Amino acid sequence: GAVVSQHPSWVICKSGTSVKIECRSLDFQATTMFWYRQFPKQSLMLMATSNEGSKATYEQGVEKDKFLINHASLTLSTLTVTSAHPEDSSFYICSARELGLDLRTQYFGPGTRLLVL
Amino acid sequence: DQQVKQNSPSLSVQEGRISILNCDYTNSMFDYFLWYKKYPAEGPTFLISISSIKDKNEDGRFTVFLNKSAKHLSLHIVPSQPGDSAVYFCAAISNSGYALNFGKGTSLLVTP
Repeated sequence: GAVVSQHPSWVICKSGTSVKIECRSLDFQATTMFWYRQFPKQSLMLMATSNEGSKATYEQGVEKDKFLINHASLTLSTLTVTSAHPEDSSFYICSARELGLDLRTQYFGPGTRLLVL
Repeated sequence: DQQVKQNSPSLSVQEGRISILNCDYTNSMFDYFLWYKKYPAEGPTFLISISSIKDKNEDGRFTVFLNKSAKHLSLHIVPSQPGDSAVYFCAAISNSGYALNFGKGTSLLVTP
């Protein structure tokens, strides 16, 4: 149980294009999903908290107009990197908390590696 | 400001021996702690957690110890196996918090 998937697993795009990353909880419902970013040899940095049916909460320093988050259902959250630039190249990971159970344990997706040329 | 610290970036242990990974925290409001294991280019996998009302939690080869007075926790893996080689992240959260606070990770290498 508690499986989280991400799609795509990797993407290469040209500078200026937008990229959408999907995060799905496969066998449970998640009212809250989280989006993290990890640079090489660094810790996971929380970007935003995605709540089903409401606006996402962004961490300080994260541009909400650049990183659009939509959490339309209890099993799906999407992160869209708009007008991507090379500095946006990173490893993006989502996580989800299982509704009703152990609210403080998060289960992570496999991550999406983004390379912006 | 890093509220969760893993001061050892790497650790090498021989197969069959005990691996001890350490984690310190500064926020006294943290009351729930988790360990995640991460392979390169993959998402973290939940390993084990502990609530502040306990000082030890065990699951198979993995045991987490919590010393609240020292604001310190450790993960013990015994016996260590080559498949345990990965980066281990310590994370903490408070009762009123919504987001995990992660350390920078410790890269464990278990040699045959």
